Amino acid sequence: GENVEQHPSTLSVQEGDSAVIKCTYSDSASNYFPWYKQELGKGPQLIIDIRSNVGEKKDQRIAVTLNKTAKHFSLHITETQPEDSAVYFCAASRRSNSGYALNFGKGTSLLVTP
Amino acid sequence: DGGITQSPKYLFRKEGQNVTLSCEQNLNHDAMYWYRQDPGQGLRLIYYSQIVNDFQKGDIAEGYSVSREKKESFPLTVTSAQKNPTAFYLCATQPKGNYGYTFGSGTRLTVV
Repeated sequence: GENVEQHPSTLSVQEGDSAVIKCTYSDSASNYFPWYKQELGKGPQLIIDIRSNVGEKKDQRIAVTLNKTAKHFSLHITETQPEDSAVYFCAASRRSNSGYALNFGKGTSLLVTP
Repeated sequence: DGGITQSPKYLFRKEGQNVTLSCEQNLNHDAMYWYRQDPGQGLRLIYYSQIVNDFQKGDIAEGYSVSREKKESFPLTVTSAQKNPTAFYLCATQPKGNYGYTFGSGTRLTVV
């Protein structure tokens, strides 16, 4: 099955700096890649996603890039703020016998210090 | 308001008891999922359901059971066979097709 690896597991940046989280996937048939943000004690929330027919997508301070050849995708957060501190999960999916179940990375704990 | 309701938010279970976690959605999504999250850990799939009256085991189904009698509801029972049930449980829904999940706010289960 699909294997999604996420790095780093923890990341600390200063307010205003950029943060980059990277994920690799094993199944070349995967074609949908969402990113989730989970604040303490809450459920994850979808913050951005990208499909395999697109190389980059941007939404204000957040961007995602996809390299299909290398099978990796990254989340970029610019001008980080303390409220960006959370755990971020990447995921990948494709059509399979189990429908479109997402395969998640293990998460990155991001800390933005003032 | 469309959304997912997980209840209760906090649940305490005594040894040997079965407990049921509720997940209700009014998003009209077809697929529903249950995940378990342990401190500092990722999301592990327990059970999922693509349509009413059908569900499949995920990676860690032992000690859990589910039902999907209505499209809106996907309750999870944590049985006494689950030896280490203390965790944060997340329910998620997904519309038909290859789209992202919508997660509920979670239930924190503690064994006392």
